[in-house]
Amino acid sequence: GIQVEQSPPDLILQEGANSTLRCNFSDSVNNLQWFHQNPWGQLINLFYIPSGTKQNGRLSATTVATERYSLLYISSSQTTDSGVYFCAVELLRSNTGKLIFGQGTTLQVKP
Amino acid sequence: KAGVTQTPRYLIKTRGQQVTLSCSPISGHRSVSWYQQTPGQGLQFLFEYFSETQRNKGNFPGRFSGRQFSNSRSEMNVSTLELGDSALYLCASSLQDGTGELFFGEGSRLTVL
Repeated sequence: GIQVEQSPPDLILQEGANSTLRCNFSDSVNNLQWFHQNPWGQLINLFYIPSGTKQNGRLSATTVATERYSLLYISSSQTTDSGVYFCAVELLRSNTGKLIFGQGTTLQVKP
Repeated sequence: KAGVTQTPRYLIKTRGQQVTLSCSPISGHRSVSWYQQTPGQGLQFLFEYFSETQRNKGNFPGRFSGRQFSNSRSEMNVSTLELGDSALYLCASSLQDGTGELFFGEGSRLTVL
């Protein structure tokens, strides 16, 4: 089956630093989403980005579908950015809402 | 616009019991999918429903079942609970027929003793 690999698995930053999270996937996809899991467990949508580049405030994401990877950029990190970031993909032609999740990147931002 | 609502948020059961979890999707969304999250296995797909039909099922035993009603609300049931069923169960809804952006609820945290 499709493999979704996220790196790094853990990341510790000082407040104000920038970071890049990576997601590699092994097959063609028609859906790619980035989530931030809050301390209560809810997955908060960050980006729906099967291809191209999007920006939302201090966060931006780029997906290069032909090369099967996506990047999530966090600039000027804040302590509230701490948590687990997940990349999830849906196989091309699946059309059934089945997302395959990576194992996540755990981010800790220190004041 | 209300988000995805899951009930109950927390529950404790004992081995051998059964449990039913409920999910109300975002208004207008017709696709509902369920995921299980555990520390060891991460987030895994359980099943997906669209227009009351199960279109896809993950690699889980038959003790895990679900259904969707005509108003798109969904329930999942786990029978004969095992300790390993302790997990966060997340429901997601989507506007389109399974493709497109998924929105998740806050989850139901199940503890099996």
